This record gives sequence, C-alpha cells and structure tokens, in this order.
Amino acid sequence: EAGVAQSPRYKIIEKRQSVAFWCNPISGHATLYWYQQILGQGPKLLIQFQNNGVVDDSQLPKDRFSAERLKGVDSTLKIQPAKLEDSAVYLCASRTTRGPPMNTEAFFGQGTRLTVV
Amino acid sequence: QKEVEQDPGPLSVPEGAIVSLNCTYSNSAFQYFMWYRQYSRKGPELLMYTYSSGNKEDGRFTAQVDKSSKYISLFIRDSQPSDSATYLCAMNRAAAGNKLTFGGGTRVLVKP
Repeated sequence: EAGVAQSPRYKIIEKRQSVAFWCNPISGHATLYWYQQILGQGPKLLIQFQNNGVVDDSQLPKDRFSAERLKGVDSTLKIQPAKLEDSAVYLCASRTTRGPPMNTEAFFGQGTRLTVV
Repeated sequence: QKEVEQDPGPLSVPEGAIVSLNCTYSNSAFQYFMWYRQYSRKGPELLMYTYSSGNKEDGRFTAQVDKSSKYISLFIRDSQPSDSATYLCAMNRAAAGNKLTFGGGTRVLVKP
C-alpha cells in the first residue's frame, strides 16, 4: 500500500514570498489533515478535511494560510505571504473512517521542511 | 497551559535498558491515546494506541493509561539503538472529528 506522498521535501523562501505544498493521501482515505511541526515541538493541527469539506480549521491563520481539497483526494496548502515564524515542517496525514470501530490510525507523510529567511 | 504535556528530554539510556516515557493531559474528554515514533526527518508513525485505562502490550512495548490521573506511559523493554527517536504521545476524542492533540515529544537516545 502506497503511503502519504508530499512534495516538495524541502523549500527555502524569503519572507513575504508565497509557497505551496502538495499532498496525496492513501487511496480511499476520506480524512486528510495538515499539521505544522515547529522544531522541538509536537505537530499542531492546521486543518482537517473530510472528503472535500473542512471539518476543523480553527487553528489555521486564515489571513495568510489557505488549503483546499477540491476533488476529495489530493490537497494543497498555501502560505502567502510567509513570515519567519512559519519555518517548520508541514505534515500531511490521512485516515480512513470505514468500518466499526472507527479506525484511529492516521498515516503521516514525510513532510515538507520550510525555511523562511 | 498546554492540553498535553510531555518532557522534551533528551533521555539517554544504555542499550538493553528500559525506556520509560510519559505524558499528562488536562482534557478528560480524550478517549483514544496513542504513541507515535518519529525518526529524524521522517513523519510520525503509530506505535500503539489504547482506548481505555489499563495496560496494553505489543512485543517490547507496553502502553499504560490512567484516566483517573490523566496520565499515560510507554515502556520500551530491551532498548536498542534503533529505538533512538522522538516519541510523541497523542490523544483524541471522536466528538472532535478524531483530531489528534500531540505532546511536544521526548527525544530518546539509546547508546550501544
């Protein structure tokens, strides 16, 4: 079974520039998450999709971050304009919700490491 | 105060020793408790999850949950250098769309 695919693996941009990350979840996984992991910290949820609908975006800085999952499969996360404090690893994860009990394992991609200079 | 607290370490042990990790949490609504392992420059991978209070064993790994104390633990027996990684506790509740709330992670180093 193929895992969660993310690209690019690394990105360096100057502050105030824009950047986009891409995620392709495991086939058939309806739930997709974007997490931000700052160095030395645990992942923090930015946004959760169920198919192509947003379930939770309460911690997404909406003035600069946006995300979409138009066809309910792959997803993009965009930052515009970037700030120095956005330097982090952006992790995408997916999970299936089929069958009782609800499957609780979220599978993570390797992440995109963003450095804002 | 963070919802999930975890000592950042680093925790350094000799090969073969028992590694003891723990997390405390404040939200009594959490239902599922998980431990993830994260190697450097990799995404987290699930090690174990438990639903109720008590112990769960899987090979060299034992997870404990004490809901009354809001405290979870992970023990790694016969530790190996390949166990060197950051260990993240995570928890969620179905009513919140199974959103995972992570601790900050504990870095573990097993020395040969």
